[in-house]
Amino acid sequence: DSGVTQTPKHLITATGQRVTLRCSPRSGDLSVYWYQQSLDQGLQFLIQYYNGEERAKGNILERFSAQQFPDLHSELNLSSLELGDSALYFCASSDKPGNTEAFFGQGTRLTVV
Amino acid sequence: AQSVTQLDSQVPVFEEAPVELRCNYSSSVSVYLFWYVQYPNQGLQLLLKYLSGSTLVKGINGFEAEFNKSQTSFHLRKPSVHISDTAEYFCAVRGNNNDMRFGAGTRLTVKP
Repeated sequence: DSGVTQTPKHLITATGQRVTLRCSPRSGDLSVYWYQQSLDQGLQFLIQYYNGEERAKGNILERFSAQQFPDLHSELNLSSLELGDSALYFCASSDKPGNTEAFFGQGTRLTVV
Repeated sequence: AQSVTQLDSQVPVFEEAPVELRCNYSSSVSVYLFWYVQYPNQGLQLLLKYLSGSTLVKGINGFEAEFNKSQTSFHLRKPSVHISDTAEYFCAVRGNNNDMRFGAGTRLTVKP
């Protein structure tokens, strides 16, 4: 158990809908990362927050947004969903910049039908 | 920003044979390097990491990796693989800006 909790584990929704994925980082970790893993594109970095502020942005679509709350949990919002958004979404956390690894949650599997 | 290239998307190997999974990185700043493993239907687990010091890093499950600054490489090796090593392996790099980037992954398949 990495200590990173993601909910829900599975999500099935229709095209055009909006969903929210939730991540609780390890206790004490200030950084949260979001990744999308799909068969055709591998593991893609989406966005990173550090202590409530956006720190880095990767290949995140405009239809997607995220935030980190004062209690350090994070949410990834996906809107106007398309079939191609079906993927495994991972959250990871780490405690400080630079020399520590990221700890991953088990992921949320999103299926858009 | 830093980036990672994993040179092989798939590596098939027979049980008890040695294996090397290749990783090259690019970065203009000091980097920290990681190898993660992902078993089917699971999240990513850390295998090993290079932060500083000795360029040969030992990790879990008998894996090791060597940091080569001149070749900007961080290849993962195991002298004798088991069926249970079948998984996806990801190389990752992290720079001073706290941004962590992963390679596309290498699928290791160990055959009996």
